[in-house]
Formats: sequence, structure tokens, C-alpha cells
Amino acid sequence: AQSVAQPEDQVNVAEGNPLTVKCTYSVSGNPYLFWYVQYPNRGLQFLLKYITGDNLVKGSYGFEAEFNKSQTSFHLKKPSALVSDSALYFCAVRARYSSASKIIFGSGTRLSIRP
Amino acid sequence: GAVVSQHPSRVICKSGTSVKIECRSLDFQATTMFWYRQFPKQSLMLMATSNEGSKATYEQGVEKDKFLINHASLTLSTLTVTSAHPEDSSFYICSLPGRDRDETQYFGPGTRLLVL
Repeated sequence: AQSVAQPEDQVNVAEGNPLTVKCTYSVSGNPYLFWYVQYPNRGLQFLLKYITGDNLVKGSYGFEAEFNKSQTSFHLKKPSALVSDSALYFCAVRARYSSASKIIFGSGTRLSIRP
Repeated sequence: GAVVSQHPSRVICKSGTSVKIECRSLDFQATTMFWYRQFPKQSLMLMATSNEGSKATYEQGVEKDKFLINHASLTLSTLTVTSAHPEDSSFYICSLPGRDRDETQYFGPGTRLLVL
């Protein structure tokens, strides 16, 4: 069975410092990997995805994620955090063969950036 | 990218009433739509996959008689919470699959349901 783990419920970072939000996955085959962000009472916004190729994926708002196959991880990173980055972040996986296959979400990590 | 709308954005109802939530694809036709439920400070849980012209596929543990899904057209899926109770209060989000397999799903803005 596919699963996604986000081991940290909350991550606190000072503005201007680098941030990392961790994600590990357990799936068969080579899945697609995603990061989404959710602001209060809003739907999900897509940040970035890994399909194939370069292990370092760049996405929206200066975020990037590194795919590590040996560690089955897909950690989200940003070199310099902004207060406006404070939100709920979800890692997710999806089977490769179809866009209509269901997405499995991690439990979410609340990112709090202090001024 | 695709635009997905949900209506209403917020709804408050009395216990025992039924509530219908609409999910519309504004940009392309979708034979499949997904319905998720999110409790406060928790992750999204897939409830069911809505299939145009056929029955929805429900995830394990989701009551199909409680959460009625109708995918009547290629641009509209509806979720009806029947005989709602306070424990049904949640944030309901729909999504569409991408147009090709490399695309992410497109998520609606969500509907906040509060059952009194």
C-alpha cells in the first residue's frame, strides 16, 4: 500500500533562515511526488512535482524539493523563509500511469515563520 | 490551468437536514472527479471518486448512503450529505485529474460545512 509520512507536525523557523519540511514515502514502482500548500480555509495550491530527471525540483514561491530514491524522501526546502510562507504543507504521491489515479496525502506540516 | 469551482463556499445547517455541494470544472470536461474531506488541522482524506455516467467509487469506511455523489455531466459533480449531523462538520474539497498523466490534480477552493 502507498503511504506518505511527514514526521513533523510543526516546523518553526525565523524569517530569513533556510527551511526544510520533511517527507518520506513508501510506494511500489516510481510514483509522482507532489508538494501542496494550504492557507486557512482555502483549497490546496500546487507548489511543485517530481516526475523524472533532475532530483532537485524547483517550484513556486522559491520553494524546491530534492528527490532521494535511496532514502525514499522528498523534502521541501527554501533558502530564505518569509513570514508569508506560514501555512500548512502537504506532501503527496500518485501512481505514475494516470492522472486519474488517486493522490495519497501526508498528514501535513504546519510551517510557522517568525519575524 | 484548469479552474475548479465549488458552491457554496460555506454552509451552516441544522442537524437532520441534507446539504448539497457542487463541484464544477470551468475549463475542461472531466469524466472523473475526486471528493476529499478534511477535519481541522488534519490531512485530506479521499472519500470517493466520482465517475461521469456511472456510480461513484467510495473509499473504505465511507458510507455511500450518507454521502451521495452524482456526476451528471462532464463539468459537474455533486456531493450530498444526507441527514447531516454535527460530526459531519468538515471542510470538503473536490479535485479534477490533470489533462495528461504528468499533470497534478486541480483542487477546488473547498466548502466549509457546519452542522448545528
